[in-house]
Amino acid sequence: RKEVEQDPGPFNVPEGATVAFNCTYSNSASQSFFWYRQDCRKEPKLLMSVYSSGNEDGRFTAQLNRASQYISLLIRDSKLSDSATYLCVVGGGGYNKLIFGAGTRLAVHP
Amino acid sequence: GAVVSQHPSRVICKSGTSVKIECRSLDFQATTMFWYRQFPKKSLMLMATSNEGSKATYEQGVEKDKFLINHASLTLSTLTVTSAHPEDSSFYICSAQTWDRDGTGELFFGEGSRLTVL
Repeated sequence: RKEVEQDPGPFNVPEGATVAFNCTYSNSASQSFFWYRQDCRKEPKLLMSVYSSGNEDGRFTAQLNRASQYISLLIRDSKLSDSATYLCVVGGGGYNKLIFGAGTRLAVHP
Repeated sequence: GAVVSQHPSRVICKSGTSVKIECRSLDFQATTMFWYRQFPKKSLMLMATSNEGSKATYEQGVEKDKFLINHASLTLSTLTVTSAHPEDSSFYICSAQTWDRDGTGELFFGEGSRLTVL
């Protein structure tokens, strides 16, 4: 079993749609959780950290379920510019323990 | 904000040659930098942790003698792929972490270097 698993997609959605991504992780001792965004052939960029209480940043909402060991990302009112690959990242505490998922590809169309 | 610069962005080399990739933190000092490798449609795989002034820590399965890492200053880490072969062709990305006064930190990635070995 992979340490961090994501549905590779692609998710093809129209502008304005709401889309949700899930990610599961295998190490119950994981302490830090992030969503990164990666555009084609570019470096990953931090989208948001994920906290136990859940957190929201504009159109983006992230949630963590420790009992079930999964993380979710909800994007509301999708924009064309949201088209990218979204990487689920799980860590053991230090940045040298980050495990990256393979990413979920999102394509938003007009 | 913090910026990490990686060079070259693309490199094509012949099999058997060595290639050096540089990773620089432009407006902050990074005692620790990380090197990743990413295959198409795959996860970023941590190769090694680069520590300023000391030897790098390599992940299991990564050949130390093949992927030489040097972190001679607080703003520069280099990855040298020695005697490159076609199977070394990949996207190599570095990252550096910053630390805030409250103990929190953030990770910034370089733009990545695409290596093609003919």
